[in-house]
Amino acid sequence: EPEVTQTPSHQVTQMGQEVILRCVPISNHLYFYWYRQILGQKVEFLVSFYNNEISEKSEIFDDQFSVERPDGSNFTLKIRSTKLEDSAMYFCASNRVAGELFFGEGSRLTVL
Amino acid sequence: AQSVTQLGSHVSVSEGALVLLRCNYSSSVPPYLFWYVQYPNQGLQLLLKYTTGATLVKGINGFEAEFKKSETSFHLTKPSAHMSDAAEYFCAVSFMNRDDKIIFGKGTRLHILP
Repeated sequence: EPEVTQTPSHQVTQMGQEVILRCVPISNHLYFYWYRQILGQKVEFLVSFYNNEISEKSEIFDDQFSVERPDGSNFTLKIRSTKLEDSAMYFCASNRVAGELFFGEGSRLTVL
Repeated sequence: AQSVTQLGSHVSVSEGALVLLRCNYSSSVPPYLFWYVQYPNQGLQLLLKYTTGATLVKGINGFEAEFKKSETSFHLTKPSAHMSDAAEYFCAVSFMNRDDKIIFGKGTRLHILP
């Protein structure tokens, strides 16, 4: 069964460093998303991406964040200069039709 | 604005007892409704979903949920809890727009008592 895959599963970084989280969506999906879950809190929408551009972004997704689909398969989330409060689980998701998002297992980011 | 409210951040039930996790939504357009489960240190797994048609939907692991438009609710139930059901459960909503995002509730942690 096709699935969304994310790497790394866990990354530890120093505050101020750049981080890139990678996702490989399901191959025939067209819509891509990043969500964030701070430990013990709800899953929050960050950004959606379609046709090589951002469709929608939340207020969390400030200038420190960017997304890219560089090669037609990977979908990346970059945090330019990490802050302590960026520590969270980041989930990638994709879909082809309305009605369901398929989520990856998540990438845990720890900022020290 | 669309939103999802889950009543109770923690719910405890005895093994073998009925599980009832409550979810209400607000929406100006017909919603798609979901329940996701998250086991410790794992990702989000879809339990069940309602898009159109039958309002009582059955999911994995014996869970089911009923869409009640008049009550704007989508409560999750399971007749008999099992220890393996201990997890975080998220109700979520999206709308009839192909690229629209899913909005999650705050989650309910289900504890199963022996």
